Amino acid sequence: QSVLTQPPSVSGAPGQRVTISCTGSSSNIGAGYDVHWYQQLPGTAPKLLISGNNNRPSGVPDRFSGSKSGTTASLAITGLQAEDEADYYCQSYDSSLSGWVFGGGTKLTVL
Amino acid sequence: QVYLVESGGGVVQPGGSLRLSCGASGFTFRSYALHWVRQAPGKGLEWVAVISFDGNNEYYADSVKGRFTISRDNSKNLMYLHMNSLRDEDTAVYYCARSSGAHSSSWSFFDYWGQGTLVTVSS
Repeated sequence: QSVLTQPPSVSGAPGQRVTISCTGSSSNIGAGYDVHWYQQLPGTAPKLLISGNNNRPSGVPDRFSGSKSGTTASLAITGLQAEDEADYYCQSYDSSLSGWVFGGGTKLTVL
Repeated sequence: QVYLVESGGGVVQPGGSLRLSCGASGFTFRSYALHWVRQAPGKGLEWVAVISFDGNNEYYADSVKGRFTISRDNSKNLMYLHMNSLRDEDTAVYYCARSSGAHSSSWSFFDYWGQGTLVTVSS
């Protein structure tokens, strides 16, 4: 059971918009710690997608955006493309565990 | 270009030991904290350990505390994970990841990842 809760799967047609939620608690997201998002394409290592809740590293398309409110963060992907099919993970810090924590991951399927 | 390359994975019996290495290039190694993150087959990501830029501070997940030791050699641009008393549940791909900062700050994130090395604990 992951400390941060994500839906196991989401799907959308090419061109559509999808969102992935990441729900935490008062010891992590709710405590004000930043949320970061990673994309893991099949058979590859994770790659930083969004840092500090809503900052895109150089090279990440502006189709990807993040937000945070209360104990929940969200990743939005607009203009879905086939190449977006991957697993997506949220990550934060937990003060009760004194460590970095991840969501269980969400598999995005582009229909 | 930042590169992180893990090595040392393999098959080990329960109760055994293994040492993983992470070699780095493309950035000033001694200026960044480094992490180990693992992923069991078909499962999600789990943070394992972190070491500060100078090696003076290290922190561990409860699941490995007392069994794993993280270390680094800034003269060789290498980080290590010494794993003892290995259990079946330690079977995973182990990734080294660069921290976004020098210290093991709670605000930091993982900005670059290696390709991972597979550790299989099995009799």
